[in-house]
Amino acid sequence: EAQVTQNPRYLITVTGKKLTVTCSQNMNHEYMSWYRQDPGLGLRQIYYSMNVEVTDKGDVPEGYKVSRKEKRNFPLILESPSPNQTSLYFCASKGAGTVALEQYFGPGTRLTVT
Amino acid sequence: SQKIEQNSEALNIQEGKTATLTCNYTNYSPAYLQWYRQDPGRGPVFLLLIRENEKEKRKERLKVTFDTTLKQSLFHITASQPADSATYLCALDFSGNTGKLIFGQGTTLQVKP
Repeated sequence: EAQVTQNPRYLITVTGKKLTVTCSQNMNHEYMSWYRQDPGLGLRQIYYSMNVEVTDKGDVPEGYKVSRKEKRNFPLILESPSPNQTSLYFCASKGAGTVALEQYFGPGTRLTVT
Repeated sequence: SQKIEQNSEALNIQEGKTATLTCNYTNYSPAYLQWYRQDPGRGPVFLLLIRENEKEKRKERLKVTFDTTLKQSLFHITASQPADSATYLCALDFSGNTGKLIFGQGTTLQVKP
């Protein structure tokens, strides 16, 4: 089954404790992206990657890091989480080019930073 | 900066009726416009895409229109069912190739039996 998986699905942590949210897709997609979703603000892009070793900032990259060492994986790293990073996070992927433009989203990771 | 407006108020309709959701944007028209469905606590699911040179797109009970003059897209669900109850997101896609989407906040649709 074609899918995007994220782990963990739920995470409660404390300020300053480094964490990583993993994202993996099995569709051989070139493009992957991270979004956060907050009430009243909608989905906002954090970082995206066009391919292995190619990443770029989205609209709200502060406080986050990413890496793309393998095509299927795109982890999101919070080096020193703060309470304002409490949010619902989604990973997404899509194929290359302009033929298949739809994005496939993971199930989400609900993060709480206290 | 680019802004997208979707009706923030929930839309309540009776089963069997046609639901019409609106997506308005400012500034530049996107190359593509996409609609997604999101159920509570779950990731968005792609529904339809319409290109800037297309006026209308259909898929089963779904129809999307795109008016670049009005800077507006309308999303219709005909013969609506309670299972259509969800939040519907409009997303502007300016580049296509890079995949960068700008999302609206979504409109929640409630279909009552």
